[in-house]
Amino acid sequence: AQSVSQHNHHVILSEAASLELGCNYSYGGTVNLFWYVQYPGQHLQLLLKYFSGDPLVKGIKGFEAEFIKSKFSFNLRKPSVQWSDTAEYFCAVNALGDKIIFGKGTRLHILP
Amino acid sequence: DADVTQTPRNRITKTGKRIMLECSQTKGHDRMYWYRQDPGLGLRLIYYSFDVKDINKGEISDGYSVSRQAQAKFSLSLESAIPNQTALYFCATSDPTGANYGYTFGSGTRLTVV
Repeated sequence: AQSVSQHNHHVILSEAASLELGCNYSYGGTVNLFWYVQYPGQHLQLLLKYFSGDPLVKGIKGFEAEFIKSKFSFNLRKPSVQWSDTAEYFCAVNALGDKIIFGKGTRLHILP
Repeated sequence: DADVTQTPRNRITKTGKRIMLECSQTKGHDRMYWYRQDPGLGLRLIYYSFDVKDINKGEISDGYSVSRQAQAKFSLSLESAIPNQTALYFCATSDPTGANYGYTFGSGTRLTVV
């Protein structure tokens, strides 16, 4: 069965700091990988996704993620965070044609 | 109009009551899902449906039932609500054959069982 593990439950950073949120998944076959963001009081929105090709994926709002197949990882990065990036971030994975499984989320709090 | 609409947005109900949460979509997607979100637990799948005649249990289906009335409608019912079903519920749709595969989420229903 697929599973997703997010390393950090709660991250606090100052504005302009660099961000890396860890995500590892378990599944032996081909997968699609996603990062979703949930701003306070809102629903989940797709930040970026990886299907195939270049393992470095760029998403909205300056976020990027790198798929490292040998490590079963899909870490999210941003060089310089802003106060408006305060949100909860979810890594997710699905095997082709199957349902999406979500990690437990990482709450990111940016200090102004 | 939103692609995925959930009603109601907020609901407070008493223990033992039956309640239905509704979801409708205009994406034309065959696949629909119900998740619940709890702090620190992420999103957990309750039920999913890959087409009108297909209903599948997710990881936490006990205490819930669903009805897929049409391609566009997927309802979640709590037959006898209990306090630990207090959560934020999300409906989602997907089209796995599409180039932009991923979920489209509704805005959520915040359910409180007292």
